[in-house]
Amino acid sequence: GENVGLHLPTLSVQEGDNSIINCAYSNSASDYFIWYKQESGKGPQFIIDIRSNMDKRQGQRVTVLLNKTVKHLSLQIAATQPGDSAVYFCAENGGSTLGRLYFGRGTQLTVWP
Amino acid sequence: ETGVTQSPTHLIKTRGQQVTLRCSSQSGHNTVSWYQQALGQGPQFIFQYYREEENGRGNFPPRFSGLQFPNYSSELNVNALELDDSALYLCASSLRLAASTDTQYFGPGTRLTVL
Repeated sequence: GENVGLHLPTLSVQEGDNSIINCAYSNSASDYFIWYKQESGKGPQFIIDIRSNMDKRQGQRVTVLLNKTVKHLSLQIAATQPGDSAVYFCAENGGSTLGRLYFGRGTQLTVWP
Repeated sequence: ETGVTQSPTHLIKTRGQQVTLRCSSQSGHNTVSWYQQALGQGPQFIFQYYREEENGRGNFPPRFSGLQFPNYSSELNVNALELDDSALYLCASSLRLAASTDTQYFGPGTRLTVL
């Protein structure tokens, strides 16, 4: 449950392009996943969540995809903007009945003008 | 903004001292979780409080303790500070509905430096 990780530590994209941030998890008991955005000097900001009974969920400019077969989670950001530059964390609940979240190390997204 | 506030913003202590960090939950939330975030790492769960009782604890020693008050605000206390305790301490509030799938909203954190 504490092996939520990321495929890439950094990601650089051009403004206006779409971004895809990936996350691998190892605990097959996890049934709730969240993406957070953390800007420098601030706390994590909730972006979007998904439960294990879904494989896709869309928000404003963001889409989360869940593939339980390969234990993979991704966050897609459409038309990436400079304000999207931040560290992105995926978190899972590890199947816990409590409210504990397990975080990966994060991916640094940099958006170039 | 989440409505979760923390104080102080920054704190400098020396090894062996004790520290108290404070968190005010988002209005309507009754559960508070505390996390430690070392530089370059993801947050690590310390413990959670619900109805003024500890409701789960991560891999942290007993010198990390907490309180939750009737108004759902919370404190994190750390005794006998060590250099490795230097980190960003985050609290997150949530409304207890199903516990394991409750969305947690984070405050801005308290940056603790231990010299």
